[in-house]
Formats: sequence, structure tokens, C-alpha cells
Amino acid sequence: GQNIDQPTEMTATEGAIVQINCTYQTSGFNGLFWYQQHAGEAPTFLSYNVLDGLEEKGRFSSFLSRSKGYSYLLLKELQMKDSASYLCAVQDSNYQLIWGAGTKLIIKP
Amino acid sequence: IAGITQAPTSQILAAGRRMTLRCTQDMRHNAMYWYRQDLGLGLRLIHYSNTAGTTGKGEVPDGYSVSRANTDDFPLTLASAVPSQTSVYFCASSDSRSSGANVLTFGAGSRLTVL
Repeated sequence: GQNIDQPTEMTATEGAIVQINCTYQTSGFNGLFWYQQHAGEAPTFLSYNVLDGLEEKGRFSSFLSRSKGYSYLLLKELQMKDSASYLCAVQDSNYQLIWGAGTKLIIKP
Repeated sequence: IAGITQAPTSQILAAGRRMTLRCTQDMRHNAMYWYRQDLGLGLRLIHYSNTAGTTGKGEVPDGYSVSRANTDDFPLTLASAVPSQTSVYFCASSDSRSSGANVLTFGAGSRLTVL
């Protein structure tokens, strides 16, 4: 079966760094996405990885290892506004998106 | 402002009633989707449309129907609502479903409660 695993909840301190992990088992692979979703709002696109390695975009970076079925989202210099859920999704061989349940990130002052 | 508009924002509905959730996009995206989001679960695809005039079933299509008469509109209908359809419904769109980075743009969501 197809499966995306990510931690349910994480807590971090303002100004610190946090890494949110995502492991996946899917029927084929055509890229991995990270989306951010603030409470009561729509998900918004953060990053896309299709090749192994690290993609950096400002305070956010996303890493992919296809051989390990593993990705992480790294958030640096955490701000209170980063409190949100972070959704990992894999695009399978049919370009269907398989979604993880999301990681709720709580930022404390 | 370009994007996706969903209506209603929130609705309480009696079981057995018919309900249509509306979705309109102004980005001229080919593909459109309906997802439901429930606590503790990932987004689950209900129905999708690759282009105007075509629709397909997603992971959880039972009890729902869609139509795609034109590029912009993609309504979702619950023919006879049941309490298990209580959820937050998101409409989304993308340029293409079949190649590259299929980045989705989401509407603000419709919160539906079936009693």
C-alpha cells in the first residue's frame, strides 16, 4: 500500500531550528511536496523536490533521499508565524498526490 | 485577486438533504480537485477533473458527484448527506496533473456539518 509518515506534533522555540521528517512508501515517485497550513486556512505550497539533495529557499530548506524514501523540511530562525501544520505529499507514478496527515508545529517564545 | 473561491464557507445540514459546494477559479488552470480533510488524516481526494468536460474518481468518491462544464467551475454535490460526510472540503486547481511539479492552489475551504 501507499503510506506517508510524519510526526503528529512538534514543539520548538522562537529563533531556533526545527527539522520535520517525512518517510514514504508509494507506487512510483514523481516528486515530493511540502505545504504549510495555518489553522483554519488553506494549504499553501512551500517546496518541491524530485532529485536527491537539499533545496534552500530563504529560512526554509527541503531535503530528499529517494533511495531511503525520506525527506525533511528544515525551518531556521523560527518565528511565531511559523506555527502551523506542515503537510508532506508524494506524487506517485500516476501523478496522484498521496498526503501525509501533517505535522503540527508549535512555536514557544 | 487571482485564486479559488469556495462557497459556502460553512454550512450545517440535516442528514438526507442535498448539498452543492461551489468552486470557481480564475487562473485558467486545466486540472481541478476536491479534497476532504479530517482530523488525524491526510487530505483525501474525492473527485478530480483533468480538463473541462472530464471527471474522475479519487480515493473516496462514494456519496459525491462532480461536473466540469467549463474551465472555471467545479461544483461538488452530496446527493443525500450523511453524518460521516462532516468534514472540511477543499477545492484546488493546478496547471496540469500529468507532468512535472503539479503545484496545487487551494481554496479557503468549506466546513460542512451533517446532523
